[in-house]
Amino acid sequence: AQKITQTQPGMFVQEKEAVTLDCTYDTSDPSYGLFWYKQPSSGEMIFLIYQGSYDQQNATEGRYSLNFQKARKSANLVISASQLGDSAMYFCAMRERGGTASKLTFGTGTRLQVTL
Amino acid sequence: EPEVTQTPSHQVTQMGQEVILRCVPISNHLYFYWYRQILGQKVEFLVSFYNNEISEKSEIFDDQFSVERPDGSNFTLKIRSTKLEDSAMYFCASSLSSGTGIKEYEQFFGPGTRLTVL
Repeated sequence: AQKITQTQPGMFVQEKEAVTLDCTYDTSDPSYGLFWYKQPSSGEMIFLIYQGSYDQQNATEGRYSLNFQKARKSANLVISASQLGDSAMYFCAMRERGGTASKLTFGTGTRLQVTL
Repeated sequence: EPEVTQTPSHQVTQMGQEVILRCVPISNHLYFYWYRQILGQKVEFLVSFYNNEISEKSEIFDDQFSVERPDGSNFTLKIRSTKLEDSAMYFCASSLSSGTGIKEYEQFFGPGTRLTVL
């Protein structure tokens, strides 16, 4: 079973509009963390935002916010006021407790294209 | 701002050859990771490393792979006999700590090494 599901392979948004990228996750661990990374065409992985399972409030980082609905096991990324430079692949990832060093499990990604 | 570095940025090799991918994690980090991304696919966990030993490895990380921290700064991934299917982007990451509680456990990724096996 997929632990991280991103159902939107591709999304389009007009510049200056907001866009929501979906992510659902599956875990039985009560303690976990959710991450969003941006991967531009150059290939590097850029950390955007983090949400801990015990965090009471939704995470925000500048134009990025995370719509965390724990009961529904969803952690959607909201990008406000889209810019052309936001065009990239976006990956949702989860880290579960356990082991000495906790690995990240990634979703398949959503390719976002920002248009004029 | 401290960052994870990786060398080379692109490595081309012949099938059956050995390759070593190098990473310099952030200096005060204690946990190190390798991930792989086949072109057009998702990022996959390979191995995690702490206190000079492997903490966890995926089923991808078979006997052809090994990791080492040969000195206080470098972290290497060796593929002994490369196969065509090893062609991918390999990311190194490091974190200060492990766990899930707070953002400080964030994994910082390097820029990746693109490995092409011919």
